[in-house]
Amino acid sequence: NAGVTQTPKFQVLKTGQSMTLQCAQDMNHEYMSWYRQDPGMGLRLIHYSVGAGITDQGEVPNGYNVSRSTTEDFPLRLLSAAPSQTSVYFCASSSNNLLANYGYTFGSGTRLTVV
Amino acid sequence: QQPVQSPQAVILREGEDAVINCSSSKALYSVHWYRQKHGEAPVFLMILLKGGEQKGHEKISASFNEKKQQSSLYLTASQLSYSGTYFCGTVSNNAGKSTFGDGTTLTVKP
Repeated sequence: NAGVTQTPKFQVLKTGQSMTLQCAQDMNHEYMSWYRQDPGMGLRLIHYSVGAGITDQGEVPNGYNVSRSTTEDFPLRLLSAAPSQTSVYFCASSSNNLLANYGYTFGSGTRLTVV
Repeated sequence: QQPVQSPQAVILREGEDAVINCSSSKALYSVHWYRQKHGEAPVFLMILLKGGEQKGHEKISASFNEKKQQSSLYLTASQLSYSGTYFCGTVSNNAGKSTFGDGTTLTVKP
């Protein structure tokens, strides 16, 4: 099993550009989330999904869009990149909504720099 | 609202013990703990459900006080490999949305 796969691993964008961060999991997990982690800080929830076709906002959703057309994929779109979006982005999945004995499996992260 | 972790940082010698605390202002369904090494993704350690249970993982265990909305992570006889940043995540509604604390950096020295 590959687990949670994120691409690309590194990306440099110019202010105003748009891009999509890819996230795919092969564990048939229903629950997927996107977090950002600024240097020396914790994880901030951007968007999450409890299943295909269902998404909702987290703590810091502005400037980001998501969709969940399949169970496996949960892409994150940056609409118009800003320097404040420079961060490490983690995708995570779980077999349920963390109300039982399952935690998150995290992808390896995408390191994004906006110049 | 994100949970509050304490302390922010702790330095230990091999073999010493440490306690990391996580508290929330909201009623919690569950608390989960992760360890992150520098430049890597967080790795799941354990999850605790409401009910005040305690769990163990190697020499790492945790407790969850549902009434106080607090969880503690106990690291006993610490090893060099325990170094890293520890995060607690909390779930406070049945949608399962999880928020994380800012982390506790643990450094274990020889």
